Amino acid sequence: VHLEQSGAEVKKPGASVKVSCKASGYMFRNYGLSWVRQAPGQGLEWMGWISTQNDKTNYAQKLQGRVTMTTETSTTTAYMELRSLGSDDTAVYYCARGGYGDPLDHWGQGTLITVSS
Amino acid sequence: QSALTQPASVSGSPGQSITISCTGVSGAVGTYGYVSWYQQHPGKAPKLMIYDVTYRPSGVSDRFSGSKSGNTASLTISRLQAEDEADYYCSSYTGDSTVLFGGGTKLTVL
Repeated sequence: VHLEQSGAEVKKPGASVKVSCKASGYMFRNYGLSWVRQAPGQGLEWMGWISTQNDKTNYAQKLQGRVTMTTETSTTTAYMELRSLGSDDTAVYYCARGGYGDPLDHWGQGTLITVSS
Repeated sequence: QSALTQPASVSGSPGQSITISCTGVSGAVGTYGYVSWYQQHPGKAPKLMIYDVTYRPSGVSDRFSGSKSGNTASLTISRLQAEDEADYYCSSYTGDSTVLFGGGTKLTVL
């Protein structure tokens, strides 16, 4: 099982970012995918989960309206888009297999998103 | 502020045992059996160590064990080793289709 994430990005306040997570080594549609972020020196924050079977999503309440999670079954890739970025969105963003009651048993390497003017 | 409360830090000497607690404010830990523990070394992605309160994924040392009593889950590491020094996070499914993480505990091996 391997989750390969896209590279680091620097964004200006107010911009949007889209992070990708390419899954391999297992049946993509058998597991959901979650996104978790970690601000510098801080703990883990759950952002949301997407079903790879029907694209059902559940988002953290604080991110509702700013985050969209999608999947592309043909390429076994998941995406997380975050809009209206602010400085407090500066963090390492992780995708992880699992969620919705299932443990996060495999994680991507993380993608550093820096929001700075 | 996290709704799952963990001690900020714990420490122990090699060979000793330590326990990290995780207490749920809203009853999430007590109600659901979906409690997981993750280990994170500096600059690395988290690693699943315990799931469903007591189960260890394949490849995780049996020195790691999990338990739950009421609204508090615990991670115990026995026969402490230097490589166990890391941050540890508990996590609980809340039942309204969301997940909570604890604030994290820094384990120092003296």
